Order: sequence, then structure tokens, then C-alpha cells
Amino acid sequence: DTAVSQTPKYLVTQMGNDKSIKCEQNLGHDTMYWYKQDSKKFLKIMFSYNNKELIINETVPNRFSPKSPDKAHLNLHINSLELGDSAVYFCASSQDLGRAGARETQYFGPGTRLLVL
Amino acid sequence: GEDVEQSLFLSVREGDSSVINCTYTDSSSTYLYWYKQEPGAGLQLLTYIFSNMDMKQDQRLTVLLNKKDKHLSLRIADTQTGDSAIYFCAERNTGFQKLVFGTGTRLLVSP
Repeated sequence: DTAVSQTPKYLVTQMGNDKSIKCEQNLGHDTMYWYKQDSKKFLKIMFSYNNKELIINETVPNRFSPKSPDKAHLNLHINSLELGDSAVYFCASSQDLGRAGARETQYFGPGTRLLVL
Repeated sequence: GEDVEQSLFLSVREGDSSVINCTYTDSSSTYLYWYKQEPGAGLQLLTYIFSNMDMKQDQRLTVLLNKKDKHLSLRIADTQTGDSAIYFCAERNTGFQKLVFGTGTRLLVSP
């Protein structure tokens, strides 16, 4: 029943490791997003995909690579994890992109809490 | 540029009204949103307002928009302890396909 789901919910790993976070939405939306929330609760967009095409790529290190195998999935792979990557990562989706109206409203997943030791 | 500011904390007593304020700088914002985040949880969309509206009411929630001053507020009537959470305002403009979030206001409701 969950509209936007993420796995895992918690991820604890060592510095230097490579890890992936998965996101799936069952809302039939065309656009998906990744946001990062730091320890001060500040939320900032990282990436956005529309119909499997990358449309937003904020100033994010190359160690972060999003992949969208289909419209319903947007995964985030992180190479060579650093201490500063510790944060909560939120996936979101919206029905449309760039159109006026509620169709662009973004719905968020529960978040993945990443802790790098 | 994009900048969205909120006060960090608000404390009210149960039954009172809460008013959470937000200011933004981007005059081309089209939609403005309010999200709620409970401890350890994701973001829940509460309501949104289109930039050509002044007010929107949804049950206990009232959103006021002063476009001239770029000021947005969320009023929660009859605040309950279950309303304790962090409230984020966010703006979206036509030029960029993304939400810009405020710093979040932590609302604490005491019995």
C-alpha cells in the first residue's frame, strides 16, 4: 500500500564502502527525486528524473550516481562513502513535471538513515 | 536567488492556535507548500497554495500568502499534542523543476 517506499530504512557502514539505496513508487508518477536532509534538518534536492531521464543534477559529488531502470524506480548508488555523507536521504515522486497544478505535488518516502563510521 | 527562511522553534499550549511563518525570496514562485515531519518519519504533505491565491483553508489549517512581502504562514487551529513536529515550507518556481525547502520550524505542543 505504501506509495513511495525506500530500502533500507537504516544503513550503517564504514568509510570507503560503496552502498545503494532503492526507491520505488506505485503512484504511476513520471518524475522522481532524491533529497538529502542533514543533521540540522536542512533539506536539499540532489537529483530528479522524469521518465527515466535525468533532469536535475545539483552540485553533488560524482561519487553519487542515480539510476532509474524504469519510471517507478530511482536508485541511488554512493561510492567511497565519507563521514559527511551521513544524513537522511529522501526519495519523492510527482505525477508531472513543469505543469501547473497539483500534478506536480511531490510525495515523499519514509527516508533512509545513513550513518558512515 | 532562492532562499526560504523560517523561525526555528515555536512552543504553544494544547488548544491554542499556532502560527508558523515563512519568507522566501524568489518572486517567480508558483506553488508554495507546507510539509510536516514527525520524529523519525518522512515528510507528509499538509497543504499547498498557488501563488495567485491569498488564502486557503483546509479543516484546522489556514494558509495565508502575502505575495508582495513574499511571506507565507500556516495557522493550525486548536493545536493538539499530535501536531508536535517539524514544519517545512517549500517553494517551487517555473524555472526550476525542484522544491526549495525552508529551514524547518520545530513546533512543540504542551498539554
